[in-house]
Amino acid sequence: EVQLVESGGGLVQPGRSLRLSCTSSGFTFAHYSFTWVRQAPGKGLEYIGFISSKAYGGTTQYAASVKGRFTISRDDSKSTAYLQMNSLKTEDTAVYYCSAEMDVWGQGTTVTVSS
Amino acid sequence: SYELTQPPSVSVSPGQTARITCSGDALPKKYAYWYQQKSGQAPVRVIYEDTKRPSGIPERFSGSSSGTMATLTISGAQVEDEADYYCYSTDSSGDPVFGGGTKLTVL
Repeated sequence: EVQLVESGGGLVQPGRSLRLSCTSSGFTFAHYSFTWVRQAPGKGLEYIGFISSKAYGGTTQYAASVKGRFTISRDDSKSTAYLQMNSLKTEDTAVYYCSAEMDVWGQGTTVTVSS
Repeated sequence: SYELTQPPSVSVSPGQTARITCSGDALPKKYAYWYQQKSGQAPVRVIYEDTKRPSGIPERFSGSSSGTMATLTISGAQVEDEADYYCYSTDSSGDPVFGGGTKLTVL
């Protein structure tokens, strides 16, 4: 079964850092690009960023709202993509989803930024 | 910044046709994708590249695009189709964006 599982969410204070993981199973992780999307409480979906497969250079791209604070990476040997979030703000509070090729999605992990 | 504009809500009776629109200046040259999100669940792609339906998605879901508007059509909407629907595309530079979402009510 094709599956993505996000982890690493939780409660964090403003200004601190958090790293989310997205682990896959059931398909060849290295062949796919991965996108992170978030959804603030009661709000719509927001694109955060993307990392291509190594075959396409492992290129990353970020939304303006997180550029310079968030970093996406991947470890194909662990079938895992990461979202490193630094200098967190209260407005980063959301459910964070990862997706393979914007087709297969995980169930999300909740990040709450609050003092 | 680039925006995709959707109506906040659409309401139909069961069996009727629901149409959800998505307007964006780059849509004549960029594909639209549509996602269904039921309450408390992850999004599910129901249409990709304007008109293509993934396997497992009911045939009542279809997509079209003309000019600056893409449309998701649900022919014979069912109660289980009640959900939020989001269009997704890119601007002329290739930066991805979601529409604001449309709440579909079927009752």
